[in-house]
Amino acid sequence: SQTIHQWPATLVQPVGSPLSLECTVEGTSNPNLYWYRQAAGRGLQLLFYSVGIGQISSEVPQNLSASRPQDRQFILSSKKLLLSDSGFYLCAWSVDLGELFFGEGSRLTVL
Amino acid sequence: GQQVMQIPQYQHVQEGEDFTTYCNSSTTLSNIQWYKQRPGGHPVFLIQLVKSGEVKKQKRLTFQFGEAKKNSSLHITATQTTDVGTYFCAEEYGNKLVFGAGTILRVKS
Repeated sequence: SQTIHQWPATLVQPVGSPLSLECTVEGTSNPNLYWYRQAAGRGLQLLFYSVGIGQISSEVPQNLSASRPQDRQFILSSKKLLLSDSGFYLCAWSVDLGELFFGEGSRLTVL
Repeated sequence: GQQVMQIPQYQHVQEGEDFTTYCNSSTTLSNIQWYKQRPGGHPVFLIQLVKSGEVKKQKRLTFQFGEAKKNSSLHITATQTTDVGTYFCAEEYGNKLVFGAGTILRVKS
């Protein structure tokens, strides 16, 4: 069966520090991969999506970046965090835009 | 970009009362998906509607897709405390899924 792992689950980072969130999917090949962000009490904002290795589409201008070094690995990064980067980050995968399967999420607090 | 409008933003009901959330689009949708996110959790897929006028039921949940495929609704009959959370609709837009703003449901016991 397919599973998705996302880590770390929580982190507290100072402003200006780097960020790396990792997501891996098991049990499927060539999934579509997504990074969403959710501010407290708000909706889901699509940040990046990828339909294949090395193919990244960015949805909003920001100081975040994403990479897909392997078929089932999706990484969200930042060189210098801002206060506004705080939020709940969710990785998700799908096959041909059917049902989205979300990871458990990573809660980031930037101080 | 494309986005479905979801209302209400928030609803607080007494346990046993019904609840409905609505999604509306200015354009025809190919399909629509619904998700539930429990407090502190991640969104979980509920259902996908594809056909015009489609109605699907899951126990106390009823999902409808409008005849013109521009709107959809989720109705919960006789809410229970386990129904609390945020309900999202989502539409396909190219290779991505765009979510509505969500409706937060709180249930008083």
